[in-house]
Amino acid sequence: GEDVEQSLFLSVREGDSSVINCTYTDSSSTYLYWYKQEPGAGLQLLTYIFSNMDMKQDQRLTVLLNKKDKHLSLRIADTQTGDSAIYFCAEIPLGDGYNKLIFGAGTRLAVHP
Amino acid sequence: DSGVTQTPKHLITATGQRVTLRCSPRSGDLSVYWYQQSLDQGLQFLIQYYNGEERAKGNILERFSAQQFPDLHSELNLSSLELGDSALYFCASTSGQEGTEAFFGQGTRLTVV
Repeated sequence: GEDVEQSLFLSVREGDSSVINCTYTDSSSTYLYWYKQEPGAGLQLLTYIFSNMDMKQDQRLTVLLNKKDKHLSLRIADTQTGDSAIYFCAEIPLGDGYNKLIFGAGTRLAVHP
Repeated sequence: DSGVTQTPKHLITATGQRVTLRCSPRSGDLSVYWYQQSLDQGLQFLIQYYNGEERAKGNILERFSAQQFPDLHSELNLSSLELGDSALYFCASTSGQEGTEAFFGQGTRLTVV
């Protein structure tokens, strides 16, 4: 089946690293995503990774993929107050022709001084 | 700015009414996707259109319908509205048939009273 799970809350101190975790169930998924949603705003695509990759780095963001455990993580280095938002993990199941994104419930990241 | 434009930003209407939400995809994108974000269901894929044709269908109610016009803008029609239809409705677009790099609009917040 298709299911994406995330923890709901994460609180970090400004300047620390944040790690947001996600697990997915569809073994056929080949694209996995992280989206950011700020209050009152739309969904911003942060980064995505192919399932044949283990890691992808983009400035302060590092995505790690453990295919065996179907576990995806997003690490934000030097977390700033502007990083406070909801972060959604998402997958695209292969079986649907890469049409629909299956989203997790979102992790609310709170950054405090 | 993702380049995807949704109007209106906010909509308040009464139960039983019908509304139309509008989406203009990024320039050059042929696919439009509609998603619903509600507190109880999270982010759910509703429907996809590619170059005017319906391509994929998700958890879309029969009271809801969509279309994509020759100029590639799309409209989502919601009828016989119920309180439970109150949600944020997002449109996303991609250049091809696959949703592998979807860019989202700011959303239309629908409140049914």
